[in-house]
Parts: sequence; structure tokens; C-alpha cells
Amino acid sequence: DQQVKQNSPSLSVQEGRISILNCDYTNSMFDYFLWYKKYPAEGPTFLISISSIKDKNEDGRFTVFLNKSAKHLSLHIVPSQPGDSAVYFCAARRDQLAGKSTFGDGTTLTVKP
Amino acid sequence: DADVTQTPRNRITKTGKRIMLECSQTKGHDRMYWYRQDPGLGLRLIYYSFDVKDINKGEISDGYSVSRQAQAKFSLSLESAIPNQTALYFCATSDPTSGGVPDTQYFGPGTRLTVL
Repeated sequence: DQQVKQNSPSLSVQEGRISILNCDYTNSMFDYFLWYKKYPAEGPTFLISISSIKDKNEDGRFTVFLNKSAKHLSLHIVPSQPGDSAVYFCAARRDQLAGKSTFGDGTTLTVKP
Repeated sequence: DADVTQTPRNRITKTGKRIMLECSQTKGHDRMYWYRQDPGLGLRLIYYSFDVKDINKGEISDGYSVSRQAQAKFSLSLESAIPNQTALYFCATSDPTSGGVPDTQYFGPGTRLTVL
């Protein structure tokens, strides 16, 4: 049973437009969510997170939205840049200090110049 | 120098061989993790350690063992490698007391393991 799902394996957008990456989860015990970005031949790097007590968190061009009732979160990138092309992983934890996370399968974002 | 290093970066071995993947970190973090990634899939937790004397199994620990030699070193062993252990392996560290986003994981560059 996959507890964190990213149903779109890939997404292609034009430079300057909005990228929206989606993530669904099934475990209602998850209360902290993170997005990681991964370039080829590198390890994932932390991008942005959100606690379950919030519904939005913004950091520059990146915004994460959380809909707890729908068990759904999304990452918005505005405006998208070619350097944003990477694999994006959604991850979830049972508490903020749990360290270990459950990851989705990732979405490969391609931003075309 | 990278904060989290993994050796080797690439390894090809044969079925039945014992191999060790090593992870070292200079971040001073107590918590360390080993994850496995298969093509098209997310990262799955193999083992984790919250301090030198603490070792815990993750969701896919069968066929693997670990050793936490020091705060900075966490090794993953495959006692008898099999082809379905072919994957990309990542080590990570975290600090629950850090500012910003506590317990954020910092990943190494990965080890690509092929078992023939």
C-alpha cells in the first residue's frame, strides 16, 4: 500500500509559466510534508515543507498548498525556469521531528526555454 | 568538500558476494539513514540510526545490515547480494535541533549498485 502517491510521472511546461506538481497521501497520521528536488547524479535536496496546521507555505517562487480534508498537497513554481528541470519528490512524516520520511515516486519536471 | 559522502559511487558485483557501502558526514548530525531508490520509484527506507547506539529497521531491511561506527560514519552491508538489490542507494543525515526546518534530511550523492 503506497501511502504517498505522485500520480503524474512527468510534467512539461514552458519557461515563465506555472508548474503545478501534485501529491496525495493516505495515512491520516502524517502531519508534516516536504518536497525534495533531485538532479541527475545527485542526491535529493530539500526544497520546501509544510506543517499540517497550515494550508500554505511560500518561499520565493515556490509555494506548497495543503488540503488536509482531501489528503492532497501541491507544489507551485512560478515562474518556471529551465534550471527547475529535475525530479520532484513529495515526502511525508508522522511528526516534524520524525526524521524518516515516506516518499512518493517522483515527478520529472521539464521546463522548456 | 561535500557534507555527506558515499563510497563507492558505482559498484558492480556478482550474486552471493558480500559488499559494503560507506557513508561519512561532516555535518555533525546524530541521525543517519540509508534509502534505496529503484527506477521510476521513490526512496524507501532501509535502516536508520538516531545516535551511535541506536539502530532501527526501516520498511525494507531484509537482506541488509548496518553498522554505525561513529557519529560521522554509517555503513550498509549486503551479506549475500542478489540481483533484485540492484538499485541506487542514498545515505542521509538530519538534526532535530537545527534551526529552520528541523530534521530536514541532507542526502549524499548516491551509490549505483549493480548485482549480476
